[in-house]
Amino acid sequence: EAEVAQSPRYKITEKSQAVAFWCDPISGHATLYWYRQILGQGPELLVQFQDESVVDDSQLPKDRFSAERLKGVDSTLKIQPAELGDSAMYLCASSLGLGRNTEAFFGQGTRLTVV
Amino acid sequence: AQKITQTQPGMFVQEKEAVTLDCTYDTSDQSYGLFWYKQPSSGEMIFLIYQGSYDEQNATEGRYSLNFQKARKSANLVISASQLGDSAMYFCAMREGSGGGSYIPTFGRGTSLIVHP
Repeated sequence: EAEVAQSPRYKITEKSQAVAFWCDPISGHATLYWYRQILGQGPELLVQFQDESVVDDSQLPKDRFSAERLKGVDSTLKIQPAELGDSAMYLCASSLGLGRNTEAFFGQGTRLTVV
Repeated sequence: AQKITQTQPGMFVQEKEAVTLDCTYDTSDQSYGLFWYKQPSSGEMIFLIYQGSYDEQNATEGRYSLNFQKARKSANLVISASQLGDSAMYFCAMREGSGGGSYIPTFGRGTSLIVHP
């Protein structure tokens, strides 16, 4: 069964270091999302891509976070420098399109701990 | 203002009984979609059910049904015949238009469901 692949599953990094997460969406899915989920809360959308273009990144802290999807397939989310408050689960999801009825499929996430 | 409100941080239900998880939403759009996801302790978000704003019938998927009350802006999830494996976090989500034909998804804070044997 097709699935969204994310790596690494777990990451521990020191404050002020750089960290990167990778996501490979389901084949054929044009839309890719990165979410941050703080423990005990719902996922918060950081960035949404349609192919290689950013559709929405209004909640992405652009002073330290960056995201790219250069060839419109896999994507990388980077944090530099990491802060203690960045400790969270980072979820990647993909969907066929941007429509209101479009179901998103999620990966297993990367759990980041900043020490 | 919160786009999605889930007022029940935690719910308990006896195995084989039905349970309703509440969700209210806030939008001025006429066209939007409502979703429920399940998140077990493993962390992966699992899609359960979808309701479109123009759908007149309540959505159903197996043991899951969505009680859609458009005028009240509520989209409650009903799980019938609860099973131990239903114990998880449940998230209500909405996709509303952001212009240009794209719809941005927003999630609520979730409800933790525990099913007792």
